[in-house]
Amino acid sequence: QLQLLESGPGLVKPSETLSLTCTVSGGSFSSGSYYWGWIRQPPGKGLEWIGSMYYSGNTYYNPSLKSRVTLSVDTSKNQFSLNLNSVTATDTAVYYCARQPGASSSGWYFDYWGQGTLVTVSS
Amino acid sequence: QSALTHPRSVSGSPGQSVTISCTGTSSDVGVYNYVSWYQQHPGKAPRLMIFDVSKRPSGVPDRFSGSKSGNTASLTISGLQAEDEADYYCCSYAGSYTYVIFGGGTKLTVL
Repeated sequence: QLQLLESGPGLVKPSETLSLTCTVSGGSFSSGSYYWGWIRQPPGKGLEWIGSMYYSGNTYYNPSLKSRVTLSVDTSKNQFSLNLNSVTATDTAVYYCARQPGASSSGWYFDYWGQGTLVTVSS
Repeated sequence: QSALTHPRSVSGSPGQSVTISCTGTSSDVGVYNYVSWYQQHPGKAPRLMIFDVSKRPSGVPDRFSGSKSGNTASLTISGLQAEDEADYYCCSYAGSYTYVIFGGGTKLTVL
């Protein structure tokens, strides 16, 4: 059974960089057409897609966050990572990593999700 | 691009059917048959319930069904059960700039 697990600091200061890692286990990370994505959910609010990437490095970003987001991958560890810079209180959210079946128009949904990790932006 | 629009809440009694709507635009729901739906219980991660408008992943009960008409997608839950009480989100592919957008979520209460 595929499992995803987010890890990283739970508290980040304003203007600093939020860094999270997602570790994938129980399935193939660097084969097939799967992309790996990040989605966030501010407390009490809805879901927002942040970005997705392929294990080879091809990336897609939410246009509203693109200037602050960097996604990267470490295939040797079956991990992919999110960096979000210049954070403010509005970036406080539960951050989820998820598997996306592909990047053609038909693959843009998320079939496996991590448990999520709360990141609070506060001084 | 704005989020897809849901009703804030819907409710139904056990055994009844409920339908949750999700309204987009001619740039997303209206033009692509790539709508997905997610169920989220409090404190839990979302779970994929429907993809490609009406397809169910393995393990999702056939009480859950999806459809689309024009700019509006719908999730119908028949034979409501207590465990169906959750938040539901729709999501649509939105083209090669925005890529994917979510709805604001609907809270389903089983009376």
